[in-house]
Amino acid sequence: DTAVSQTPKYLVTQMGNDKSIKCEQNLGHDTMYWYKQDSKKFLKIMFSYNNKELIINETVPNRFSPKSPDKAHLNLHINSLELGDSAVYFCASSQYTGGPPALETQYFGPGTRLLVL
Amino acid sequence: KQEVTQIPAALSVPEGENLVLNCSFTDSAIYNLQWFRQDPGKGLTSLLLIQSSQREQTSGRLNASLDKSSGRSTLYIAASQPGDSATYLCAVTYSGGGADGLTFGKGTHLIIQP
Repeated sequence: DTAVSQTPKYLVTQMGNDKSIKCEQNLGHDTMYWYKQDSKKFLKIMFSYNNKELIINETVPNRFSPKSPDKAHLNLHINSLELGDSAVYFCASSQYTGGPPALETQYFGPGTRLLVL
Repeated sequence: KQEVTQIPAALSVPEGENLVLNCSFTDSAIYNLQWFRQDPGKGLTSLLLIQSSQREQTSGRLNASLDKSSGRSTLYIAASQPGDSATYLCAVTYSGGGADGLTFGKGTHLIIQP
């Protein structure tokens, strides 16, 4: 069984559209993350969610909104897609300990390759 | 602001050689450091996690060291195999409190020649 899964694997869409990427984890973790990997392969965190609370929101445009219907899911919704949004988006999860996250190994999904035309 | 740098950006060696990948970070206030492997078109696989209080971790042919005071980590791969070809990413969890994400380096693209 896949621990962290994402759908779709590939997404090609027109500029200006609204799209969502889904993420599910079956590890029982209570913290989930979204990362963006740009064309230069640089990976940067976008969001993290713990118990349905947004913990981190880096300098991400407000066109991006994470939505968590339950602890096992963290979906990424993107409004008014732009060319620069083309990238690979990775979802990840870990178990939040409530203290220093020294032991929190993050498990990553396979990525969603988004291409905006 | 925490920054992570990996050297070299790319490395190509013959099969069987031992090799070292380097990672440095600018702020020593970290909780842990992780090494990941990324295969083309695939997601990330966590290889090793070193807590800030630890000096090294080993898994099979992989050994990762951490010198927090100098802001450096190395990933040692023994007896390299063609299947080790991938991009290796180093990432640190900065001591910011709460559920922090990772700050990644840009990776080392490794090719093991058969």
